[in-house]
Amino acid sequence: KNQVEQSPQSLIILEGKNCTLQCNYTVSPFSNLRWYKQDTGRGPVSLTIMTFSENTKSNGRYTATLDADTKQSSLHITASQLSDSASYICVVSPLTGGGNKLTFGTGTQLKVEL
Amino acid sequence: KAGVTQTPRYLIKTRGQQVTLSCSPISGHRSVSWYQQTPGQGLQFLFEYFSETQRNKGNFPGRFSGRQFSNSRSEMNVSTLELGDSALYLCASSLFASQGQDELFFGEGSRLTVL
Repeated sequence: KNQVEQSPQSLIILEGKNCTLQCNYTVSPFSNLRWYKQDTGRGPVSLTIMTFSENTKSNGRYTATLDADTKQSSLHITASQLSDSASYICVVSPLTGGGNKLTFGTGTQLKVEL
Repeated sequence: KAGVTQTPRYLIKTRGQQVTLSCSPISGHRSVSWYQQTPGQGLQFLFEYFSETQRNKGNFPGRFSGRQFSNSRSEMNVSTLELGDSALYLCASSLFASQGQDELFFGEGSRLTVL
């Protein structure tokens, strides 16, 4: 069973609009939670990394939040652009086991249209 | 500063063959980890190497193996290929392997098609 669930699976929004992507995880305890953006045919690129003690982290128009009590995270995209069209992947790094043995969500496919 | 380089970018093999994929990390990075990405399963961790030693291993059969050289370059090998091995294989590098706290930098991947 995947320990990182993302919703929605796909999303279409108009350019300039905001959107929020959700991530629920059961990995516990965890070291950090990350959000990656993956363009089609490219490798993932890191957007934010949050430790369990952080509530929010921003990177330009991207803002991630983390609620360790409910084991939920969200990624908010403000004033979307066509270039935001990509897959957004939530990733949890377990505290035990160490290294980069990450658990990945299956991603939310975002399409931004004119 | 050059990014993570993976070769080859695309390759086609037939069932039963073996394949070797290469990854050159960012200069100065000592940790290299490998991931398999398929449409059905998403990204899954294969293994991680640090200073030529395998530090962690995912839940993949023994047909999947890897190694790291003294210059931190890494290779992964898949033997006796199966149709289900068709995937994008991603390599990522980081400075260390400190409990997964380092930022990971991914390569563009090697897309393997098994016929």
